[in-house]
Amino acid sequence: QKEVEQNSGPLSVPEGAIASLNCTYSDRVSQSFFWYRQYSGKSPELIMSIYSNGDKEDGRFTAQLNKASQYVSLLIRDSQPSDSATYLCAVTGNQFYFGTGTSLTVIP
Amino acid sequence: KAGVTQTPRYLIKTRGQQVTLSCSPISGHRSVSWYQQTPGQGLQFLFEYFSETQRNKGNFPGRFSGRQFSNSRSEMNVSTLELGDSALYLCASSLVSRAVGNEQYFGPGTRLTVT
Repeated sequence: QKEVEQNSGPLSVPEGAIASLNCTYSDRVSQSFFWYRQYSGKSPELIMSIYSNGDKEDGRFTAQLNKASQYVSLLIRDSQPSDSATYLCAVTGNQFYFGTGTSLTVIP
Repeated sequence: KAGVTQTPRYLIKTRGQQVTLSCSPISGHRSVSWYQQTPGQGLQFLFEYFSETQRNKGNFPGRFSGRQFSNSRSEMNVSTLELGDSALYLCASSLVSRAVGNEQYFGPGTRLTVT
């Protein structure tokens, strides 16, 4: 079983819609959770971090964490074509564990 | 504040050769982690260094090694290169290691092609 699981997609949403990205993890003692965005040919860029249960909002992005269900999600409101990228979920235990990423395409 | 820098950005090597990649973390960051990224495998953890000590190591053969210097700069070395080593090698730095809030910031990566 992988440490971090993500739906690889691709996920397509129309411009202006809400994109919902999901991630599950296996290690119950994980403490820190991150979302990275990676454009094609570029390195991952940190966009959100969350450490406690509940929601955390930053602009158009909302991260949601449910430790009991071992589930973390990222919502992107008012999706823009510039949001088209691969989104990586990361969870920390003794090291960073990354999911394989979800490819998001926002259609103009 | 300057970000994570990696050199070189692109590298072409021949099978059997060895290669050394360099990473300079964000000023003040003491933890450096290395990852290999390929289309099929995603981000694979290689190792982490903190205060010149290897803290953790991923499941890679001994041909992959690294070190960290007293100024937190890190190098990784791959010996006896194989075609399968062709990948994007990413370095990430964080302020601390194994603590809540240890956000990692990635460098631009080194694209290694083995022919």
